[in-house]
Amino acid sequence: GAGVSQSPRYKVAKRGQDVALRCDPISGHVSLFWYQQALGQGPEFLTYFQNEAQLDKSGLPSDRFFAERPEGSVSTLKIQRTQQEDSAVYLCASSLQDYGYTFGSGTRLTVV
Amino acid sequence: DQQVKQNSPSLSVQEGRISILNCDYTNSMFDYFLWYKKYPAEGPTFLISISSIKDKNEDGRFTVFLNKSAKHLSLHIVPSQPGDSAVYFCAAKRTGSGNTGKLIFGQGTTLQVKP
Repeated sequence: GAGVSQSPRYKVAKRGQDVALRCDPISGHVSLFWYQQALGQGPEFLTYFQNEAQLDKSGLPSDRFFAERPEGSVSTLKIQRTQQEDSAVYLCASSLQDYGYTFGSGTRLTVV
Repeated sequence: DQQVKQNSPSLSVQEGRISILNCDYTNSMFDYFLWYKKYPAEGPTFLISISSIKDKNEDGRFTVFLNKSAKHLSLHIVPSQPGDSAVYFCAAKRTGSGNTGKLIFGQGTTLQVKP
């Protein structure tokens, strides 16, 4: 597609439930980033992929968060045993070169 | 530790006037700066950027100024239009080998342009 596609757009999870968030980057984009945006805050870096290699996962807040990009295109961010503090918008961005990032519309996760 | 700060949560200006959004950073290793605009329920969209080797970059109604000694940058929008009403994020990164290119964002400034 023309842009970065994220699904689902909205997800309500019961506390303790596992969730999986999907990102379809722009075709051919080598770099893929995940960000977490809490209400009223700016996006915060979670993890970075270059093709299928996860080169930086320093922003993942706990070992309940896991991301993968097995074939170097679609990426999935998985959160196990969700907690209320995980409620946020999760943004995916992709880029071909080092400077141009295109963001998706995000997945709004609400943990109840 | 907030490495990129936008100290004004909101700004209101009249249509046709200038909007000035400010951003401060603490990490002197940042060498590339970007501004993003965000509408509700949409992802951030790129607006304008500047490399640390420059002190000004202009694109139509948008100009970004960088003061490296003060670790400060600003976005000027002139003339402001009602469609500019959105949340504006300042972001910074380190470029070059060994860096992932991850962006560090400020908290955002909500701009309202009144007709």
